[in-house]
Amino acid sequence: DIQMTQSPSSLSASVGDRVTITCRASQSISRYLNWYQQKPGKAPKLLIYTASSLQSGVPSRFSGSGSGTDFTLTISSLQPEDFATYYCQQTYSTPPTFGGGTKVEIK
Amino acid sequence: QVQLVESGGGVVQPGKSLRLSCAASGFTLSSNAMHWVRQAPGKGLEWVAIIWYDGSNEYYADSVKGRFTISRDNSKNTLYLQMNSLRAEDTAVYYCARDEGTVGLEWFDLWGQGTLVTVSS
Repeated sequence: DIQMTQSPSSLSASVGDRVTITCRASQSISRYLNWYQQKPGKAPKLLIYTASSLQSGVPSRFSGSGSGTDFTLTISSLQPEDFATYYCQQTYSTPPTFGGGTKVEIK
Repeated sequence: QVQLVESGGGVVQPGKSLRLSCAASGFTLSSNAMHWVRQAPGKGLEWVAIIWYDGSNEYYADSVKGRFTISRDNSKNTLYLQMNSLRAEDTAVYYCARDEGTVGLEWFDLWGQGTLVTVSS
């Protein structure tokens, strides 16, 4: 199975900050990398697919980049509604594995 | 309204069985592969199983293989997860999720609200 490692596991940031979350795959996954946002008690929500494509309806302050084994999710200007946990996921091969999550908290 | 609604969760004793359902509305279930994903309390997301759009193939996480069975009834627009020989470590919120593709390995673009399964004596 492909292991997905996210860093950091948590971070504190202020409204308006630029936030970057990284995700590393244990082997090359090309661009088969997706990002999800999950708020407490809610289902995950798709933000980014195939590394850099923005899901319909998702604000443009979210962006993704990377290929191969290293990927990043960037929030250009953190908003109050962005405080949540973010997960990366590879869909290069079965099983489609998730990273451990990055919790973004208010500073 | 395009949505997935899970049901069937509850408290069950170790070794017993439970069947979860996931009803789709606002779209035709038969167009997409479907997944079950679970999340233990306070933990991350764990993929459980996938079934292709036509039901012709299924794949499972090693942790549930041989105990869980994913199925679908496209005529009823409903996905199922039959869970047998349940263990305490199966305690989690179970989500159904739609794959953008027909045979999986794309992205999960629609999720249900989740149903809680608690395995306890």
